[in-house]
Amino acid sequence: GAVVSQHPSRVICKSGTSVKIECRSLDFQATTMFWYRQFPKQSLMLMATSNEGSKATYEQGVEKDKFLINHASLTLSTLTVTSAHPEDSSFYICSASRTGNQPQHFGDGTRLSIL
Amino acid sequence: GQQLNQSPQSMFIQEGEDVSMNCTSSSIFNTWLWYKQDPGEGPVLLIALYKAGELTSNGRLTAQFGITRKDSFLNISASIPSDVGIYFCAGQRGKGSTLGRLYFGRGTQLTVWP
Repeated sequence: GAVVSQHPSRVICKSGTSVKIECRSLDFQATTMFWYRQFPKQSLMLMATSNEGSKATYEQGVEKDKFLINHASLTLSTLTVTSAHPEDSSFYICSASRTGNQPQHFGDGTRLSIL
Repeated sequence: GQQLNQSPQSMFIQEGEDVSMNCTSSSIFNTWLWYKQDPGEGPVLLIALYKAGELTSNGRLTAQFGITRKDSFLNISASIPSDVGIYFCAGQRGKGSTLGRLYFGRGTQLTVWP
C-alpha cells in the first residue's frame, strides 16, 4: 500500500505558460501532502505543506502567488506554477502521508523544463 | 531549513560488499526514515524507525534509531548492482508546528561495481 501517483512526469513548455501538476494518493487517504523541489545532485527542498481543506503553508522564500497549491480532497493535491520562467525549471516531487506524523510516501516527480 | 549531516557523500563498492552510512543531527527527532531515490524518480521509503534504540531490518537492509535520538545508521549487506542510487536519511519531529515535516540529509550516492 501507500502508492502516490504524480502527473505529468515531464513537461516542456514556453516561458509564460502556467503548468499544473497533480499528486494523488491511490490507496490511502492523505490528510497532509507536501511539495518539494529538487535540483541536480541535491537533496529535496520543501516548498509547502498542504492539509486537506486548508490553505497551504509555504516555506520561507517560496512565493505563494507563483506556486499555487490546492488540496481539495483527501486523495488529490495540485501545484500550479504560474507564468513559468526558465528559472522555474526543476524536478518537482510531491509526497503524501495519512496523518501529519506518519511517514511520507513520494510520487515519481515531474521534470519541468521551461524554454 | 535544517539539514542532517549524512555521510559518506558517495561510496564506490564491489558487488557483495557491505555498506554503512549514517546521519547525525544537533537536535532530537522522534522518527527516523531512510529513503532510496533512483535517477528521475521520487524517493522510496526503505525503513521507518519510531523508538530510540530500535533496530529494524528490511531484507538486506538494517537501520537503527540512535539512543540519543540524534542519529541513525543504515547498513546494506551483500550489495548488488540494483542497490545503486541515492540514499537519504530524514528526521521527523512529529509534533508541534513542524508536525510531519521531514528534515533531509544531503544523500549518499552509492555505486556498485559488478
